[in-house]
Amino acid sequence: EPEVTQTPSHQVTQMGQEVILRCVPISNHLYFYWYRQILGQKVEFLVSFYNNEISEKSEIFDDQFSVERPDGSNFTLKIRSTKLEDSAMYFCASRGTYLNTGANVLTFGAGSRLTVL
Amino acid sequence: GQNIDQPTEMTATEGAIVQINCTYQTSGFNGLFWYQQHAGEAPTFLSYNVLDGLEEKGRFSSFLSRSKGYSYLLLKELQMKDSASYLCAVRASPAYNTDKLIFGTGTRLQVFP
Repeated sequence: EPEVTQTPSHQVTQMGQEVILRCVPISNHLYFYWYRQILGQKVEFLVSFYNNEISEKSEIFDDQFSVERPDGSNFTLKIRSTKLEDSAMYFCASRGTYLNTGANVLTFGAGSRLTVL
Repeated sequence: GQNIDQPTEMTATEGAIVQINCTYQTSGFNGLFWYQQHAGEAPTFLSYNVLDGLEEKGRFSSFLSRSKGYSYLLLKELQMKDSASYLCAVRASPAYNTDKLIFGTGTRLQVFP
């Protein structure tokens, strides 16, 4: 079954450092997302991306965050200067178009756990 | 505001049936999803409702009432592996090319032998 893959699975960084989380969405999907889940809390939407641009972002996704699709397969989330409160599990997700069966469904990756010290 | 409520924890015994409720108040509605999440893992899709009524998928069923802002997930013939968190999520965005999901806090289900 096709899957979304994320690297690294776990990253520990010092406050103020830059972090890049990487994702390889399902190959024929066109819509890409980042969500995060702080330990013990709900999954929160960060950003959606379509046609090489951000289509929607939440209040959490401030100037410290950016996303990029540098090539045909990767989708990255960069945090420019990490803060303690950025510690969370970051999930990448993707979905197909409405022309495809099951296109409403987001498929999530296994997540990248970010720990900021 | 956007609010999704579901019970924090539930317990049940193997072989039993359990119903997990979800109520929502959102600024728009374009579908409700149920995801299963085992500890430390990705949410995995279980079901999707956009019209009122019951959707059945093997041991899992999901019900939606849009007028009441209410959904439930029904799990039958419970197995130990069903111990997980069950996340209710609403797609509030009306735009076709965004898919912002608003999640509830999740219901942690423990199945006992």
